[in-house]
Amino acid sequence: GQNIDQPTEMTATEGAIVQINCTYQTSGFNGLFWYQQHAGEAPTFLSYNVLDGLEEKGRFSSFLSRSKGYSYLLLKELQMKDSASYLCAVRDSNYQLIWGAGTKLIIKP
Amino acid sequence: ETGVTQTPRHLVMGMTNKKSLKCEQHLGHNAMYWYKQSAKKPLELMFVYNFKEQTENNSVPSRFSPECPNSSHLFLHLHTLQPEDSALYLCASSQLPPGQGADTQYFGPGTRLTVL
Repeated sequence: GQNIDQPTEMTATEGAIVQINCTYQTSGFNGLFWYQQHAGEAPTFLSYNVLDGLEEKGRFSSFLSRSKGYSYLLLKELQMKDSASYLCAVRDSNYQLIWGAGTKLIIKP
Repeated sequence: ETGVTQTPRHLVMGMTNKKSLKCEQHLGHNAMYWYKQSAKKPLELMFVYNFKEQTENNSVPSRFSPECPNSSHLFLHLHTLQPEDSALYLCASSQLPPGQGADTQYFGPGTRLTVL
């Protein structure tokens, strides 16, 4: 079966750095997405990786290793507004999006 | 700020009621999606429409009935629902249909549905 694993919940301190991991086992691979979802709001697109390596966008970076079936989202200089759920999703060989259950990130002052 | 709107934002209904969820996208996209999001579970894709044509129905019970009158509007008609259908129902749209390139999906804020 197809599976996306990410931690259920993480806690970090304001101003610090946090890394949210995502491992996947899918039938084929055609890209990996990260979304941010604040409570009661729409998921919003953060990043897309299809080739190995690091993609940087301001305070957020996303890394992909296709050979290891692994990605991480790195958040730097954490702010209270970064408290949200972070969803990892992989597009398989049929271009279906397989979603993880999300990681709830709690930022403490 | 989102180019995808959903109404109502909250809905409470009995098991014998009939109601409809509405989604509208202002992004000029060609594909639209309905998802179900339950607590601590992955998003479940329910229906996909590409240029108003339904291209996917992921074994969704017939008590959920989608309608896509044009590329900008999507409805989900609900009748005789069960308490386990209580969840957040999300609408999304993308410029490209599934299977064509790195189409990014843009989501609406969802309808929080409670079935009593």
